[in-house]
Amino acid sequence: AQKITQTQPGMFVQEKEAVTLDCTYDTSDPSYGLFWYKQPSSGEMIFLIYQGSYDQQNATEGRYSLNFQKARKSANLVISASQLGDSAMYFCAMREGRGFKTIFGAGTRPFVKA
Amino acid sequence: NAGVTQTPKFQVLKTGQSMTLQCAQDMNHNSMYWYRQDPGMGLRLIYYSASEGTTDKGEVPNGYNVSRLNKREFSLRLESAAPSQTSVYFCASSEVGRDNSPLHFGNGTRLTVT
Repeated sequence: AQKITQTQPGMFVQEKEAVTLDCTYDTSDPSYGLFWYKQPSSGEMIFLIYQGSYDQQNATEGRYSLNFQKARKSANLVISASQLGDSAMYFCAMREGRGFKTIFGAGTRPFVKA
Repeated sequence: NAGVTQTPKFQVLKTGQSMTLQCAQDMNHNSMYWYRQDPGMGLRLIYYSASEGTTDKGEVPNGYNVSRLNKREFSLRLESAAPSQTSVYFCASSEVGRDNSPLHFGNGTRLTVT
């Protein structure tokens, strides 16, 4: 069965520094996609970045990059040059193959301080 | 660009009352989903509809029913609300056939059952 684990409930980050949000996953399907979403205090869910299991390179989107280590089944999100607005809940999620179900981890909340 | 629209935004019910959460998307997506979000548990899939005319159970379907009214609309019904159904409910939609297609979320419905 597929599973997503995010074990960092919260952390403090200095503004302008990089922060890594951990995500490990488990699946027996060789084809899967990994997603990260951001949820600010206003409550909406915002898609950030995608990594496919067959992608050779780590995904990047602006200040977001995904450190994908397939053998370790980890897909950590790296936010570079943290900003105060990066304080939010971040969810790692996975969808298997051509399936329709996306499952989510419990989330991690970095607090960016000036 | 409305995207995914959910109504209502807030609702308070007494135990045993019924209600329907409405969701509509204008992105011509085939797949639609209902999730619930509880503290420390991320988002859990209640039901999904892979395409118009089909619905399937997710991780936590008990106590809920859904209707895919047409391609645009996907409603979630609580027949007899229980305090355990106090949660934030999100509707989402996505394209089919693209591995990197993310979920597009509505703004959520905060439901309290007393």
